[in-house]
Amino acid sequence: AQRVTQPEKLLSVFKGAPVELKCNYSYSGSPELFWYVQYSRQRLQLLLRHISRESIKGFTADLNKGETSFHLKKPFAQEEDSAMYYCALSGYNTDKLIFGTGTRLQVFP
Amino acid sequence: DAGVIQSPRHEVTEMGQEVTLRCKPISGHDYLFWYRQTMMRGLELLIYFNNNVPIDDSGMPEDRFSAKMPNASFSTLKIQPSEPRDSAVYFCASSGGGVNGYTFGSGTRLTVV
Repeated sequence: AQRVTQPEKLLSVFKGAPVELKCNYSYSGSPELFWYVQYSRQRLQLLLRHISRESIKGFTADLNKGETSFHLKKPFAQEEDSAMYYCALSGYNTDKLIFGTGTRLQVFP
Repeated sequence: DAGVIQSPRHEVTEMGQEVTLRCKPISGHDYLFWYRQTMMRGLELLIYFNNNVPIDDSGMPEDRFSAKMPNASFSTLKIQPSEPRDSAVYFCASSGGGVNGYTFGSGTRLTVV
């Protein structure tokens, strides 16, 4: 079965501190992994996806198939990073995204 | 394009009443998804359509929930009768195919009292 686990509901850090939002998945094949972000009063939007191997707003995420993880990292958090972050998975050749329960990131000044 | 449009933005209703949520996908997108967002369970996929046909409704919680897509530009999610535990934010998303083109609407915040 496809499953995405985000163990932390809330992560609080101070500005300038490193951030790591954890995501673990369960899928028997080769998944596609994504991170979505929802800023206050805004729509859910794509932050990054593993196949692009890109850095967006200073965030990166590496797919670790051995640990079945796709943790989101940023070396120096900014106040504007405060938002709700969702990890999502799609199976091979499917058109639906399965989301985790989300982690709220709070960055204090 | 105005993006995925959902209405109403907020809905407050009494337990036992029928509730209808509406969604207009992006023109040309042939996939439409309904999600429910709660603090405890995060974003749950309820049902999705391809070319107006329901493909997977395994996430629909119970028979009180139903969804339709009568044409390519409109979908509804209906709850009848509504219960307080249905209180959540309901999101609609559309895609032109594949998971790389998901676009979400602003959501409908439903409160059942």
